[in-house]
Order: sequence, then C-alpha cells, then structure tokens
Amino acid sequence: DGGITQSPKYLFRKEGQNVTLSCEQNLNHDAMYWYRQDPGQGLRLIYYSQIVNDFQKGDIAEGYSVSREKKESFPLTVTSAQKNPTAFYLCASSKLGTAVDQPQHFGDGTRLSIL
Amino acid sequence: AQTVTQSQPEMSVQEAETVTLSCTYDTSESDYYLFWYKQPPSRQMILVIRQEAYKQQNATENRFSVNFQKAAKSFSLKISDSQLGDAAMYFCAYRSAMSGNTPLVFGKGTRLSVIA
Repeated sequence: DGGITQSPKYLFRKEGQNVTLSCEQNLNHDAMYWYRQDPGQGLRLIYYSQIVNDFQKGDIAEGYSVSREKKESFPLTVTSAQKNPTAFYLCASSKLGTAVDQPQHFGDGTRLSIL
Repeated sequence: AQTVTQSQPEMSVQEAETVTLSCTYDTSESDYYLFWYKQPPSRQMILVIRQEAYKQQNATENRFSVNFQKAAKSFSLKISDSQLGDAAMYFCAYRSAMSGNTPLVFGKGTRLSVIA
C-alpha cells in the first residue's frame, strides 16, 4: 500500500546534539511538508518542498534544516540551535494540483523529546 | 498572511446528538480551499471534509457537513448523530489555490468529547 512513513516513532535528543527525522513517501507525490505540533498550538509549518532540490522556509524554520535530494524523501534535521525541540512532528505530501485540489496525506508522526 | 481561528478549545456532545465546531479565517484571496481534519488519540491526521471556495454548495460527507459563509469568512463543521469514535481533536485548515502546492494553515484545534 502507498503511504508516508515517518521514523523513528519516538526520538530523544541530548543537549547540543543534532537529530534527523526521516520521512519517506511512495505515493509519487511532488510536494512534501514538515509541521510541528505543540499542545494548544495546532500545526505550524517548518519547511516545505514542491520539487526536488528546492525547499522553502515556513513560519518556524529557525533551528531546523531539510534536504530534498530525492522525490521520495524529505528528512528534517533538528539542530542544536533549536532550543525547544520537544514536540510532535508530522510529515505530509501532496500531488501537484492545478485545477483540482490535491489533499495532503500525513504520516503517523515522530515524538521528539529532550533528555 | 492567512490566519485560521478556532474559538472553542473544547466542546462536548452527548452520543447521538448534534454538535457544531466553529472556524473563522482571514484572507484577501478569492480562491482557496478549506478543510476539517480529525486527530484521534493515535495522532493520525484524517481528512474529514473539504470545501472549495468557489462552490456555493456546502460540502457533506455522511454525518459531517459544513456551513460555509464566504462573506463572513466562516467555516463551521456540523457532526450529526455523534458517535464515541468522533471524540478527537478537530483542526480547521486553509489552503491557497494559488499556483503550486501551497501548505496548509491550521487553527489551534477544538478537542471534542463524546459523552455516552
């Protein structure tokens, strides 16, 4: 079955450490997104990418980095510059839509915590 | 920038009754899409219903329907015959219909409890 796979499900980060969250999709979707979810905050956009080798910052990109070397993959690195990384991270993808809206499909998320 | 506001952090409903969740949004665009997503305790994001702004008719999906008031920039979700499985966080979201795949803008969510 096609879908979006996020790994790991749970991740712990030590102070000063960079960690990378994986997001892979086999839906042949063009666009991919990373959202952060905090209690009472809803989902906020970190980064998104519409095509390979191109990505744009979202509302809360500071302390994060991404790459899009392959269409299927959009890993998110939480750097040591992100001082409050504890949150639930959701990856999503969608087809390129023009006349018809292409809904976003979501992965099951990664819970990141500080040790 | 577009914003989405959900003014009810928590709501509750008796099983089999009807409940309406509110959502307002702010945009200067004329063409866009609106969505309601459900997030149960499993944290999975499930698309409940969507509405194209150019369509006058309100969207309906089984027990879920919306009241879309474009001039008032309001997009409420009505859940009829509420079931225990409807208990979840509900997020209202906006997406521009401008070219390309624009990201979703989410409200802060409404936690719905269903009382047996």
